[in-house]
Amino acid sequence: GQNIDQPTEMTATEGAIVQINCTYQTSGFNGLFWYQQHAGEAPTFLSYNVLDGLEEKGRFSSFLSRSKGYSYLLLKELQMKDSASYLCAVLDSNYQLIWGAGTKLIIKP
Amino acid sequence: GAVVSQHPSRVICKSGTSVKIECRSLDFQATTMFWYRQFPKKSLMLMATSNEGSKATYEQGVEKDKFLINHASLTLSTLTVTSAHPEDSSFYICSATYPRQVSYGYTFGSGTRLTVV
Repeated sequence: GQNIDQPTEMTATEGAIVQINCTYQTSGFNGLFWYQQHAGEAPTFLSYNVLDGLEEKGRFSSFLSRSKGYSYLLLKELQMKDSASYLCAVLDSNYQLIWGAGTKLIIKP
Repeated sequence: GAVVSQHPSRVICKSGTSVKIECRSLDFQATTMFWYRQFPKKSLMLMATSNEGSKATYEQGVEKDKFLINHASLTLSTLTVTSAHPEDSSFYICSATYPRQVSYGYTFGSGTRLTVV
């Protein structure tokens, strides 16, 4: 079956760095997405990785290793507004999005 | 680019009535749109894939007669929850992506919070 694993919840301190991991087992691979979702709102697109390596976008970076079925989202200089759920999703061989359950990130002052 | 508008954002309806939710792609033509529902503190659950000009493809366990999807144009898909019951109360979200531009991501509408009383 298809499976995406990410931690349920993480806590970090304002100004610090946090890494949210995602491992996946899917039938085929056409890319991996990270989304941010604040409570009661729709998800917003953060990043898309289809090749191995690190993609940097301001305070957020996303890494992919296809051979290991592994990705992480790195958030630097954490701000209180970064408190949200972070969803990992993989596009399988049928171009269907497989979603992880999300990681709730709690930022403390 | 890739803006998706969803309406209404909140709706309260009586049990037994029907509710229609609209999803529009504002600056691109979306041949395919996706409908999700999300329960509190749970991840997104794909309900159906809506294809312009053809019947929607429903996920296993989703009642197609209860959740009617119409994708009559390249910019509009609608989800109608028929004979709504309290257990249908949920957050419904649509999404679409630029055709053949997966790297742009799947853009989501703002979601519709449905409460059935």
